[in-house]
Amino acid sequence: QVQLQESGPGLVKPSQTLSLTCTVSGGSIRSGTYYWSWIRQPAGKGLEWIGRIYSSGSTSHNPSLKSRATISVDTSKNQFSLKLSSVTAADTAVYYCVRDGGTFDYWGQGTLVTVSS
Amino acid sequence: DIQMTQSPSTLSASVGDRVTITCRASQSISNWLAWYQQKPGKAPNLLIYKASSLQSGVPARFSGSGSGTEFTLTISSLQPDDFATYYCQQYNDYSPLTFGGGTKVEIK
Repeated sequence: QVQLQESGPGLVKPSQTLSLTCTVSGGSIRSGTYYWSWIRQPAGKGLEWIGRIYSSGSTSHNPSLKSRATISVDTSKNQFSLKLSSVTAADTAVYYCVRDGGTFDYWGQGTLVTVSS
Repeated sequence: DIQMTQSPSTLSASVGDRVTITCRASQSISNWLAWYQQKPGKAPNLLIYKASSLQSGVPARFSGSGSGTEFTLTISSLQPDDFATYYCQQYNDYSPLTFGGGTKVEIK
């Protein structure tokens, strides 16, 4: 059974960089069968896909984030990470890491990140 | 971007009702559509992929149909566990992957 777990600070100051890591267990990122994505959800609102990464390091991102998002992978640790720069209050959301085969079949529990001074 | 529009945004129904949710794409996505269920405080759960294929472990009362730009999710007989918010998602165009705005199914 594949499991994903997000980790990182729950509070980030405006203009700073949000950093989250997702640890995958029960499956190998290195296998190359899937992409690995980040999705976020502001309180009471819908889902927004942030971007994805393949085991090779190839990435794609949502243009709406205007290049603020950087996704990286560490196959030796079976982890992938998200960095979101120049955050504002609008980036306050629950952030999920997910296994991405076009559809999202395994999700982390989500982690709330609040942007506030 | 491909815009996904769900209707209604809120639906009030009773246990045992047949419920239908619609999702429209701004351009054709063939059958590259998925449906998710989300309960408060939890991550979404994949119900349907490729418009009409039932994900393993999902009850058979859930079904999906459609192709091109118009899709439906049907719950044949609503159960107490089904009160939740439902999202559609297109994966025809990966730049970006997009979701509908959600449909909240409430108790009537």
